[in-house]
Amino acid sequence: DIQMTQSPSTLSASVGERVTITCRASHSINSWLAWYQQKPGTAPELLIHQASTLKIGVPSRFSGSGSGTEFTLTISSLQPDDVAIYYCQQYHSYSPTFGQGTKVEIK
Amino acid sequence: QVQLVESGGGVVQPGGSLRLSCAASGFPLSIYVMHWVRQAPGKGLEWMAVIPSDGSSGNYADSVKGRFTVSRDNSKNTQYLQMDSLTAEDTAIYYCAREGHSSGKCGDFDIWGQGTMVSVSS
Repeated sequence: DIQMTQSPSTLSASVGERVTITCRASHSINSWLAWYQQKPGTAPELLIHQASTLKIGVPSRFSGSGSGTEFTLTISSLQPDDVAIYYCQQYHSYSPTFGQGTKVEIK
Repeated sequence: QVQLVESGGGVVQPGGSLRLSCAASGFPLSIYVMHWVRQAPGKGLEWMAVIPSDGSSGNYADSVKGRFTVSRDNSKNTQYLQMDSLTAEDTAIYYCAREGHSSGKCGDFDIWGQGTMVSVSS
């Protein structure tokens, strides 16, 4: 299986601050990477697919980049509504795998 | 409104069985590949199983292969997860999810249900 590793595990930042989460794959996955947001007590929601394509309706402060084995999710200006756990997921292989998650908090 | 609704969760003894259902509305289930993903309490997301749009043989994570079986009834717009030989390690929220954009081997999950809780305990 392809292993996905996210960093950091927890991130605390101020409202309005720029935030970056990194996701690394154990093997090249081209651009077959998705990002999800999971707020407490709710199901995950797709934010970005194919590494950098924003799902319709997702705020433009979210962006994704990368290819191969290294990817980033950036929130350009952190808002209180962005408090959540963020997961990356590869879909390059027949068995998709997720990163362990990054918890984003407001300082 | 595009929606997935899971049902069938509950408390079951170790070694027992449970069948989960996932009802789709707002779109035809028959044209989509569907998945099951679970989340143990306080833990991350773990992919479990996939079933092709035509209901042919699914694919499973090693942790559940031989114990879990996915199926679907496109006429009822519903898919199912039959879980047998359950252990405490299967305790989790189980989500069904629709595959959105595909790489040709798998895809992302663009629509998720609200989840149904399965607790395996004596």
